[in-house]
Amino acid sequence: DGGITQSPKYLFRKEGQNVTLSCEQNLNHDAMYWYRQDPGQGLRLIYYSQIVNDFQKGDIAEGYSVSREKKESFPLTVTSAQKNPTAFYLCASSWTADREKLFFGSGTQLSVL
Amino acid sequence: QKEVEQNSGPLSVPEGAIASLNCTYSDRGSQSFFWYRQYSGKSPELIMSIYSNGDKEDGRFTAQLNKASQYVSLLIRDSQPSDSATYLCAGGGTSGTYKYIFGTGTRLKVLA
Repeated sequence: DGGITQSPKYLFRKEGQNVTLSCEQNLNHDAMYWYRQDPGQGLRLIYYSQIVNDFQKGDIAEGYSVSREKKESFPLTVTSAQKNPTAFYLCASSWTADREKLFFGSGTQLSVL
Repeated sequence: QKEVEQNSGPLSVPEGAIASLNCTYSDRGSQSFFWYRQYSGKSPELIMSIYSNGDKEDGRFTAQLNKASQYVSLLIRDSQPSDSATYLCAGGGTSGTYKYIFGTGTRLKVLA
C-alpha cells in the first residue's frame, strides 16, 4: 500500500537532547513537509522540500533541522535549541503542483521529560 | 501575514441537521482550497478540495468558494455523530510556492 510512514508514534525528549523524527513515503511525491500542531491550534509549517537535496524554512524553523538525501525520506531533528518542543508533529507529501492535496502521515507526539 | 481564519467552535448540531463551517482567507493569490477532517489524536484527512468559484458537491459534503469575498465554506448534510471532529480549512500556496496556510480548525459536535 502506498502511503507515508512516521515513526515513532510517541517520543520523549530529555533536556538538552536532540531527537529525530522519521518520515518515509512511497507515493513518489516530489514535495515533502513538516508541520507542528499544538492543542487547539492549526498546523504551522516548519520546513518543506520540493526536490532532493533542497529544502526551505517554513514559518517556525528555529530549533529544527531537516535533510532530504533521498526522495522518499525527510527526517526532522528537534534540537536542544527548541525550548518548547512538546507538540504533535505531522509529515506530509504532495505532487509538485500547488493545486494538489497533501497526504499526511499518522503523526508523532513529542513530549519533554 | 497571510492568514486563514476559522471560528474555533465548538459548533453543535443535532443528528440529521446541516452543519455549516466557514473560513475566510487573506491571500488573494491562493489558487486552491481544501477541507480536512481531523479526529482527536489523528492526522488530517482530505474530504473536499475546491479551485473555482461556486459549489462542489461530493456525497453529503458541499464546498463553496467565493473568491471575491475571500470566503470558503463546507456544508455537511444529514450530519452523523461520526462527523464529530475538527475541520481544518487550508489555502493552497500562491502559484509557484508550496506553502499551504491552515486555519486553526472548527470543532464540530453532532448530538445524537
